[in-house]
Amino acid sequence: DAKTTQPTSMDCAEGRAANLPCNHSTISGNEYVYWYRQIHSQGPQYIIHGLKNNETNEMASLIITEDRKSSTLILPHATLRDTAVYYCIVKYYGGSQGNLIFGKGTKLSVKP
Amino acid sequence: NAGVTQTPKFQVLKTGQSMTLQCAQDMNHNSMYWYRQDPGMGLRLIYYSASEGTTDKGEVPNGYNVSRLNKREFSLRLESAAPSQTSVYFCASSEDQLVVQFFGPGTRLTVL
Repeated sequence: DAKTTQPTSMDCAEGRAANLPCNHSTISGNEYVYWYRQIHSQGPQYIIHGLKNNETNEMASLIITEDRKSSTLILPHATLRDTAVYYCIVKYYGGSQGNLIFGKGTKLSVKP
Repeated sequence: NAGVTQTPKFQVLKTGQSMTLQCAQDMNHNSMYWYRQDPGMGLRLIYYSASEGTTDKGEVPNGYNVSRLNKREFSLRLESAAPSQTSVYFCASSEDQLVVQFFGPGTRLTVL
């Protein structure tokens, strides 16, 4: 599985868009980009995933660059409840070992 | 749907004691996982079960045993607890060995 690089921390004003970057320059053609988040002391929560097209769901949007070497998770209107650690994970879809490799992620602090 | 449930929520053990952490899911998922998370760290896979009747070691299996009791339940046993096993333990499940995993609320274990 390709390695990912994320900033250690970011701040965002409440109501503004939060843009969380992830670098995955060694991604392979059939590896997906997944985003999870972990709100303090809770279990990780799935947010979104994509292969090469941009994706949007009720929680967030995922923008993947054309060369697939980086991506950005967008929370369009961040709230205080979005304060969490966000993990970018690259993984083969349906690989033989389905465990997720969680790095240290980005700690997003949404401020009033 | 309760999703993934874990018991107990908190536990304190003395070195050498044994205990079993329970996990159950009501989503009819085939695959289940046990992770541990140490302070300030990402999650690390202990064991997983790709389907009922199978279990496999993850990244950090030493000191643990698992049982896939049925499709719903996956337990983690510490035979002789050590202070190094102080951690938060998360159970997760997925439809197959796909990456969209659903996590339980965690069990906070302290070994004195």
